[in-house]
Amino acid sequence: SAVISQKPSRDICQRGTSLTIQCQVDSQVTMMFWYRQQPGQSLTLIATANQGSEATYESGFVIDKFPISRPNLTFSTLTVSNMSPEDSSIYLCSALTASGANVLTFGAGSRLTVL
Amino acid sequence: AQTVTQSQPEMSVQEAETVTLSCTYDTSESNYYLFWYKQPPSRQMILVIRQEAYKQQNATENRFSVNFQKAAKSFSLKISDSQLGDTAMYFCAFMKHEVLDMRFGAGTRLTVKP
Repeated sequence: SAVISQKPSRDICQRGTSLTIQCQVDSQVTMMFWYRQQPGQSLTLIATANQGSEATYESGFVIDKFPISRPNLTFSTLTVSNMSPEDSSIYLCSALTASGANVLTFGAGSRLTVL
Repeated sequence: AQTVTQSQPEMSVQEAETVTLSCTYDTSESNYYLFWYKQPPSRQMILVIRQEAYKQQNATENRFSVNFQKAAKSFSLKISDSQLGDTAMYFCAFMKHEVLDMRFGAGTRLTVKP
């Protein structure tokens, strides 16, 4: 199956700053997804990112706070804007990487700590 | 909206024993997919097993098998011959056909004891 690389793997950020997380897939994929995993919690879907269209955000997540880019079929970025300590989480990128199998493959996640 | 419920926050099992993790879900859809993912301390999400709702036969992957009860909306995971490397968080997940965004349960932390 495909390999998904995320960077940074971890970062410590100051309140009020923004950070962009990059997600690279080693094959072309149609659908990519961004999830948030707060400490000790499950995964919550932030948005779906399809190439050539605006990202679709889930309830509770807005584009101004979590802008997403999807410039091509192998790459996406998620920006966490104007960060606060409540944004301290693991952010995971995922993609449908096996055509017809409808299985999500995940990156290793980016652990953000906001001070 | 679809919800996935895992009622066991933590479980433990002795090495080489068998353990079953529970999952129930709520949906009005007839065509969907169910998954079990494993997240070890490395935090990498790893697919354990996948079940298509239209298939009556329970999925099996080596030591991992599921008991899929569609009418009861239940999807439990059985791990046989538990190994120390099975220690991880296990998430049950639901995916609606053609929508393809995956929804996760709260997770069960499994510890395999030597």
